[in-house]
Order: sequence, then structure tokens, then C-alpha cells
Amino acid sequence: DAKTTQPPSMDCAEGRAANLPCNHSTISGNEYVYWYRQIHSQGPQYIIHGLKNNETNEMASLIITEDRKSSTLILPHATLRDTAVYYCIVRVGQGETSGSRLTFGEGTQLTVNP
Amino acid sequence: DAGVIQSPRHEVTEMGQEVTLRCKPISGHNSLFWYRQTMMRGLELLIYFNNNVPIDDSGMPEDRFSAKMPNASFSTLKIQPSEPRDSAVYFCASSQQGLYTEAFFGQGTRLTVV
Repeated sequence: DAKTTQPPSMDCAEGRAANLPCNHSTISGNEYVYWYRQIHSQGPQYIIHGLKNNETNEMASLIITEDRKSSTLILPHATLRDTAVYYCIVRVGQGETSGSRLTFGEGTQLTVNP
Repeated sequence: DAGVIQSPRHEVTEMGQEVTLRCKPISGHNSLFWYRQTMMRGLELLIYFNNNVPIDDSGMPEDRFSAKMPNASFSTLKIQPSEPRDSAVYFCASSQQGLYTEAFFGQGTRLTVV
């Protein structure tokens, strides 16, 4: 699976958009970009994933550059409850037997300030 | 569904004792994962199962660790004998097998070996 690079920490004001970047310059054509987050003392939580098109769900938006070498997770209106470590993961599917194997890096600690 | 259920939530044991961590995956999910999280090493995949069969146990640190999945609704991670360096939070996750599926994590078991 391709390696990802994320800033170790970011701050955001409550109510503003939080934009979390991720570099994955060695991504392959069949690799997806996944985002998870981990709120303190809880298990990681799935946020969103995409291949090459931008994606949006009730939690966030995912913007993937045209060359797919980087992406940005956008939390449109951050709240204090969004304070967490955010993990960007690039995952290759190895066929139906791969399941959802995820390799976590160090992630970005997002702190939402009042 | 109650989600992935892990027990116990906290375990304190003495060095040399056997420790058994338990996991009940989400009904209908056929992939199960055990992760360990420490400050030094972050989230590490220990082992994962597809359809109750261990697929990759390369993350298991040593022979003191063993994992079983006797049926689709139950898995155990056993450490025998336990050592202080095994102190960590152990997470279990489950997913439906496939390329695009998300993994759901339990709340974790915080293990302290003294």
C-alpha cells in the first residue's frame, strides 16, 4: 500500500471549515484513499473514501487532485466534537480476500477551538 | 446492531499471567481484524481473518500471541505469558469482505501488565 504524509497537527476555529491535507505521491491506479478519525479513547471511525472523483457524505467532503497524488478532507463546519486524530490511508484491493486491511500512519491531530 | 463488542474494556494483570481478549463482530461481517495501539508505535495490525480463517498474522509480535476465530460471531486474542511491554489498547474491527467496504471498530480493551 502507498505511503501517506500528513501534517502532525492542525487547529481550526469552531464553525469554520477544516481542511486536512494528505500527500500520497506513490499511489497506484487501483488504490483508494480512505479517511478515518479517532476521537480520544475511542476506536477509529470511518469518514469517507474515494478513488478519483470528489466525494461527499454527511460527515465530510473528499477532494482528490487530478493526478491523485494528494487529497484534502474537508469538514465544512467544524465543531468541538470533531477534535480527533485524522488518518489518511491509501489501500489497494487485492481481490475479494483482502477485506478492509488498513495500515495507519501517524495522522493529523485536529484541534477545534471555541 | 450494537456494533463491534469487545471485552473486557480494561484489564490489569501481572507479568507472566495469561490474558484473553474477546471480540464479537457485527453480524453479517465476514472479515475481522485485531489491532494494537501504543504511543510509540501507533495503530498496528496484528492479524486478520476472512470467513473465520486467518489470512495474515505477520503483525503478531511473537509466539506469546495467538488469535482464534472459532465461528463467525466470536474471536479471541490471547497473550501467554504476558509482559509489561504488551501494555496497550487492543482494538477489534470487522467489515464485510470486499474492496470498498469500511471497517467498524470496537471500543478497545486497555491492557495493563504490571
